[in-house]
Amino acid sequence: DAGVIQSPRHEVTEMGQEVTLRCKPISGHNSLFWYRQTMMRGLELLIYFNNNVPIDDSGMPEDRFSAKMPNASFSTLKIQPSEPRDSAVYFCASSSTGSGAYEQYFGPGTRLTVT
Amino acid sequence: AQSVTQLDSQVPVFEEAPVELRCNYSSSVSVYLFWYVQYPNQGLQLLLKYLSGSTLVESINGFEAEFNKSQTSFHLRKPSVHISDTAEYFCAVRPGGAGNKLTFGGGTRVLVKP
Repeated sequence: DAGVIQSPRHEVTEMGQEVTLRCKPISGHNSLFWYRQTMMRGLELLIYFNNNVPIDDSGMPEDRFSAKMPNASFSTLKIQPSEPRDSAVYFCASSSTGSGAYEQYFGPGTRLTVT
Repeated sequence: AQSVTQLDSQVPVFEEAPVELRCNYSSSVSVYLFWYVQYPNQGLQLLLKYLSGSTLVESINGFEAEFNKSQTSFHLRKPSVHISDTAEYFCAVRPGGAGNKLTFGGGTRVLVKP
């Protein structure tokens, strides 16, 4: 089992540039979550999908952030334009509503630095 | 809505000493409870979970947590820590009904000193 795969692992970009983070959930999982982690704010849920449909995007900071899940095996989180305050580690997690407990499995994260 | 409070943001502890990480939650419905561990520069990993049945649950690396419904707590303990237990630990809850969103606590950083 490959686990949740995220790419890139590290991203350094300049303010104003577009950033796209990618996630491949565990095969067979039907829920996908995007989190952001910073020292100041801790771990924040940005958005989550069930069966490729966005269910709760109340954590998305502002219109500069968007997320898509075109199919069950791929999701993207896009920031356009990026700002220095977006610097953080972004995690993707997946789970299966069929498991009964819904524990989430996390990817290794993407460390984003916006200069 | 649920909320999770981890009372200690940092816990320094000497190697081979015991450690307890406190977690309290609030919820109007029954919940499932989880502890996750995050080692430096890694993602979160599930450490243990409480779903139902015995209120004491254990992990494969010596941690245990006890669900206390009356005190709405799910404290994590280990009788003897190792240097390799240095990490951040997150408590999380999920409502027992519909929906699979987890609510996380703020995390507790454990620093094991030799």
